[in-house]
Amino acid sequence: DAKTTQPPSMDCAEGRAANLPCNHSTISGNEYVYWYRQIHSQGPQYIIHGLKNNETNEMASLIITEDRKSSTLILPHATLRDTAVYYCTYRGTASKLTFGTGTRLQVTL
Amino acid sequence: NAGVTQTPKFQVLKTGQSMTLQCAQDMNHEYMSWYRQDPGMGLRLIHYSVGAGITDQGEVPNGYNVSRSTTEDFPLRLLSAAPSQTSVYFCASSEREGGYTFGSGTRLTVV
Repeated sequence: DAKTTQPPSMDCAEGRAANLPCNHSTISGNEYVYWYRQIHSQGPQYIIHGLKNNETNEMASLIITEDRKSSTLILPHATLRDTAVYYCTYRGTASKLTFGTGTRLQVTL
Repeated sequence: NAGVTQTPKFQVLKTGQSMTLQCAQDMNHEYMSWYRQDPGMGLRLIHYSVGAGITDQGEVPNGYNVSRSTTEDFPLRLLSAAPSQTSVYFCASSEREGGYTFGSGTRLTVV
């Protein structure tokens, strides 16, 4: 099962960049890092994933360290609607996806 | 595309009753999974499947059965409901390396 470490909570001012860190030191060389978020009690929403290179899409950027033991999700201009629990994870054996406790991001005015 | 459809959205069961939570996806995804989320907690993997006819246990499989006879459907069966199974259940599907798409959940209360 995936073993990740994330801070339990973070605050960010609206309009500023939110940088969410994640440690995944047990990840294997061919396993992708995935980020999801869950707004209130809705189903989790996929954000982005990556293997080695930095990735960017319309929602966020993903920075993966060269040793792949950690990554950072960047929301470039956080809004109140980005308030959510953010999960970092990776697929373990047989591609099963497990989740840790995540980071609760609070975006404030 | 409807994505991942879960039915019912809400259900109340009496202790000892059995029921099936339905999950269907129309994206031809190989992988499907069931999670439960207790109030204020994270997601825990119940069962998962990597293709039709192939299922395996996750972190908390006791009290639940699954089958995958088609690519589209992955029903979750509660054999004999217990109050400890009161939770929100999420179904999800993905391609081999893509992100999972989650359904909107089934909120189950066992009394």
